[in-house]
Amino acid sequence: AQSVTQPDIHITVSEGASLELRCNYSYGATPYLFWYVQSPGQGLQLLLKYFSGDTLVQGIKGFEAEFKRSQSSFNLRKPSVHWSDAAEYFCAVGRRGAQKLVFGQGTRLTINP
Amino acid sequence: EAQVTQNPRYLITVTGKKLTVTCSQNMNHEYMSWYRQDPGLGLRQIYYSMNVEVTDKGDVPEGYKVSRKEKRNFPLILESPSPNQTSLYFCASSPRQGAAYEQYFGPGTRLTVT
Repeated sequence: AQSVTQPDIHITVSEGASLELRCNYSYGATPYLFWYVQSPGQGLQLLLKYFSGDTLVQGIKGFEAEFKRSQSSFNLRKPSVHWSDAAEYFCAVGRRGAQKLVFGQGTRLTINP
Repeated sequence: EAQVTQNPRYLITVTGKKLTVTCSQNMNHEYMSWYRQDPGLGLRQIYYSMNVEVTDKGDVPEGYKVSRKEKRNFPLILESPSPNQTSLYFCASSPRQGAAYEQYFGPGTRLTVT
């Protein structure tokens, strides 16, 4: 069965520091990969997605993610975080023809001033 | 503005009292879905709909019903709510059939069943 693991439940970084959120997946087929962000009291917003092609994808708000097939990973990165990046981040995986996305448990990001 | 709307945003109810959470999208999307979000579990799919009059169960359908009579609306019905249905609920839609593609989420409905 497909699964998505976000190993870090909660991460705290200082404003201006770099960020990497980890995502590992277990999926039989070629995956479609997504990162969503959920700000407090808000719905989920798509940050970026990977379907095929270049394994480094750029998203909104200065985020990027790299697909590494050999490691079954799709880690999210940002070179310098801002206080407004404090939120919960979800990695999700789907595949062509599937009827659902499988979500990870989420990583809550706290920013220290 | 393209969006998915849900109502109500907050709801406190008692066990056994039927309720409906509405979901509407104005993007002419064919695919719609309901999820519940619980701490430590991420989002789990309740039901989905590929198109009008086409619905199917997700991972956690027990205790829920849905209908899709119009393309834009996909209400979630709890016939007899129980405390274990206390959760944060999200409706989502997708421009392409199948959930494998990007989904657009509503703002969420926080439900408490006492």
